[in-house]
Amino acid sequence: EVQLVESGGGLAQPGGSLRLSCAASGFTFSRSAMMWVRQASGKGPEWVSGISDNGGSTYYADSVKGRFIISRDNSKNTLYLQMNSLRVDDTAVYYCAIPFGSPVWGQGTLVTVSS
Amino acid sequence: QSALTQPASVSGSPGQSITVSCTGTASDVGSYNLVSWYQQLPGKAPKFMIYEDTERPSGVSARFSGSKSGNTASLTISGLQAEDEANYYCCSYAGSSSWIFGGGTKLTVL
Repeated sequence: EVQLVESGGGLAQPGGSLRLSCAASGFTFSRSAMMWVRQASGKGPEWVSGISDNGGSTYYADSVKGRFIISRDNSKNTLYLQMNSLRVDDTAVYYCAIPFGSPVWGQGTLVTVSS
Repeated sequence: QSALTQPASVSGSPGQSITVSCTGTASDVGSYNLVSWYQQLPGKAPKFMIYEDTERPSGVSARFSGSKSGNTASLTISGLQAEDEANYYCCSYAGSSSWIFGGGTKLTVL
């Protein structure tokens, strides 16, 4: 069974940092592009960032470009999102996801940015 | 990029069919066979009902079907059931490894 399990969410102050992780299992992680999607309470989802299967190419939404860094460790079947210079409007549930084929999302991890 | 356009709400009685539309542009919905639909209950992770415009993941009821014409994709639910009441979102590939979502449609089963 394909599984994605996010962790690392929590409370951060404006200007602070958090690092999210996503542990993948049940599929060949090193052959799959991956992405992060977030959803603020009561809002539709927003694509945040994507990464190629070997990590050589990364992509960002304009809203996070220059502040967030996506990466992966294929030896550990793990996807990461380093979030710096956090803002109040980054508050959301963050999901890691397999973007192509039959989509799979994790259960999400809540990030709250507040003073 | 603007979000895909969905109606804010739709409703139907048990046993009826309803359709939710999702309108994009020639740069996203109209360019790729990569529209997906998912169902979301309050506080829960999304459950995918349709992917690649018309494909149904294993385990999803055949009452759910997807279609597309030009820049508009549609989700049809036939034989509406009380358990179908949820928020439904569409999503489309938008090129350059980016994805765009709709604002969501609240389905009410009367």
